[in-house]
Amino acid sequence: GAGVSQSPRYKVAKRGQDVALRCDPISGHVSLFWYQQALGQGPEFLTYFQNEAQLDKSGLPSDRFFAERPEGSVSTLKIQRTQQEDSAVYLCASSLAPIALRETQYFGPGTRLLVL
Amino acid sequence: KNEVEQSPQNLTAQEGEFITINCSYSVGISALHWLQQHPGGGIVSLFMLSSGKKKHGRLIATINIQEKHSSLHITASHPRDSAVYICAVSNAGGTSYGKLTFGQGTILTVHP
Repeated sequence: GAGVSQSPRYKVAKRGQDVALRCDPISGHVSLFWYQQALGQGPEFLTYFQNEAQLDKSGLPSDRFFAERPEGSVSTLKIQRTQQEDSAVYLCASSLAPIALRETQYFGPGTRLLVL
Repeated sequence: KNEVEQSPQNLTAQEGEFITINCSYSVGISALHWLQQHPGGGIVSLFMLSSGKKKHGRLIATINIQEKHSSLHITASHPRDSAVYICAVSNAGGTSYGKLTFGQGTILTVHP
């Protein structure tokens, strides 16, 4: 079956531009995570959805970052007025269970965002 | 100090060598994950463990909960093992749904 997919794979934005990054999780997966990975670093948590409910957005770096999952499947991460420090790989991961404490997370290929 | 520390940061080996990557963490966890990331590629889960030892092919992962330490071993390394290996823990900080806190990764290069 299909894994987690993300689009676009690459995005170049001019500073100040708004961008939208899409994640299609594995069908039926309840938990969805967004992570940000700066060059040469490990990923860092951004936000978590359980179905359509955003239960944790503590990792979002500023109010320019917004995420949604309106129907409990596809999720979109939106960055408004992009800045150069937003340049990173944005990873989406999904997990079957609503409580993913001891669950494998399945990662998408990521979206590489470069802000010029 | 990061909650998850890996060592070494970079590791170069010759084909056939036995490889060990270490991970230490400073918080209570529900599980520890070992992940693999190829250049330009996504992340693949290798192991998830909360106690003891797991083996899959040439890969072995161990965890010592009391010492808050885990190791990933690769036996008979091969150039195709070249990748970034990342240690991550779930339930760091007392969350109840499994968000991961990651180490910064170990870059492994295996030469033929």
